[in-house]
Amino acid sequence: GQQVMQIPQYQHVQEGEDFTTYCNSSTTLSNIQWYKQRPGGHPVFLIQLVKSGEVKKQKRLTFQFGEAKKNSSLHITATQTTDVGTYFCDSGGGADGLTFGKGTHLIIQP
Amino acid sequence: DSGVTQTPKHLITATGQRVTLRCSPRSGDLSVYWYQQSLDQGLQFLIQYYNGEERAKGNILERFSAQQFPDLHSELNLSSLELGDSALYFCASSGPGQGDIQYFGAGTRLSVL
Repeated sequence: GQQVMQIPQYQHVQEGEDFTTYCNSSTTLSNIQWYKQRPGGHPVFLIQLVKSGEVKKQKRLTFQFGEAKKNSSLHITATQTTDVGTYFCDSGGGADGLTFGKGTHLIIQP
Repeated sequence: DSGVTQTPKHLITATGQRVTLRCSPRSGDLSVYWYQQSLDQGLQFLIQYYNGEERAKGNILERFSAQQFPDLHSELNLSSLELGDSALYFCASSGPGQGDIQYFGAGTRLSVL
């Protein structure tokens, strides 16, 4: 499998501050997916990155795929309380299915 | 609404018992995945089925088993339940043309007392 490492595990920010989570792999990835899980909810697909160096934006969220396709990041500008949750990256595929990172818990202090 | 349906939403049972969790994937999706999530933990991959066949197996206990039926719905069977099996169990599905994108159901919360 291509289990990815996510850092940090927890991130406390003040509302309005920026937030970044990183996803790293030791092998080249075909693609990477990002999901958000709100407290008490289920993971929801956010975006898929496929191309080397790809950057995609969704409002205040910016997703980037590394040039070597071994890492990815999710950056949130000016966090809001609605951004609270756990953000997972997933490298997809793999015979053992172990492709999800452990997630980054975003905690926002008003 | 992801289109993935999981039943029941909640399940309370006793140690030693057996339960069955059910998942109906999105229309047209051939792959079904099962995950276990304990409190504040990540998603622990259990097993994947593709069009009725087992495709990938993760850290699934021998007490647990799953299957995917011809109509593509899937069931996860948990037997000889222990207190530590209390968790959220998610099902996800993916389909042709979607690559590795998974759509998750709302989950089944299992409480073993």
